Amino acid sequence: EAQVTQNPRYLITVTGKKLTVTCSQNMNHEYMSWYRQDPGLGLRQIYYSMNVEVTDKGDVPEGYKVSRKEKRNFPLILESPSPNQTSLYFCASSSRLAGAENTGELFFGEGSRLTVL
Amino acid sequence: DAKTTQPNSMESNEEEPVHLPCNHSTISGTDYIHWYRQLPSQGPEYVIHGLTSNVNNRMASLAIAEDRKSSTLILHRATLRDAAVYYCILRDVETSYDKVIFGPGTSLSVIP
Repeated sequence: EAQVTQNPRYLITVTGKKLTVTCSQNMNHEYMSWYRQDPGLGLRQIYYSMNVEVTDKGDVPEGYKVSRKEKRNFPLILESPSPNQTSLYFCASSSRLAGAENTGELFFGEGSRLTVL
Repeated sequence: DAKTTQPNSMESNEEEPVHLPCNHSTISGTDYIHWYRQLPSQGPEYVIHGLTSNVNNRMASLAIAEDRKSSTLILHRATLRDAAVYYCILRDVETSYDKVIFGPGTSLSVIP
């Protein structure tokens, strides 16, 4: 089954304690991305990756790091979490758009709800 | 980065058609128009996409204006399960970067 898997789904942590949210996809997608969702603000892109070893900042990258060492994995790293990073996080992946035959459909994970105290 | 604007919320009666508008006045020639929906407590899911022509699939129809500066997602018969937040986004086929921007979307309420 095609899917994007995020872990953990729920996490409560304390300020300053490094954490990693993992994201894995089984569709051989080149493109992967992280979003955070906060009430009234929709989905805001944190980082994205066009392929292995290629990452770039989205709209809200401050306080986050990512890496793309393998095609299937795109972990989100919070080196020193702060309360303003309390949010619902989504990972997504898609094939690269290559014309009308390819939908470029984004597949989303189920989300990771993070609380930083 | 091309952006989209949508109404914050809309309401529909069950079993009636729903037309969800999206404006994208700065769309470029290589931007595809994508629609996603997000059900409560779930991640967004793909609904439909198009470039220039109107499109139909099992979930919905997409009507694209001739100048491509706006589009409309059409749900032909709203059901209670269609109550969700709907997002309209643009994806550039030829870009060397892919900053996919979601706005707040339209929250659709379906009245029984």
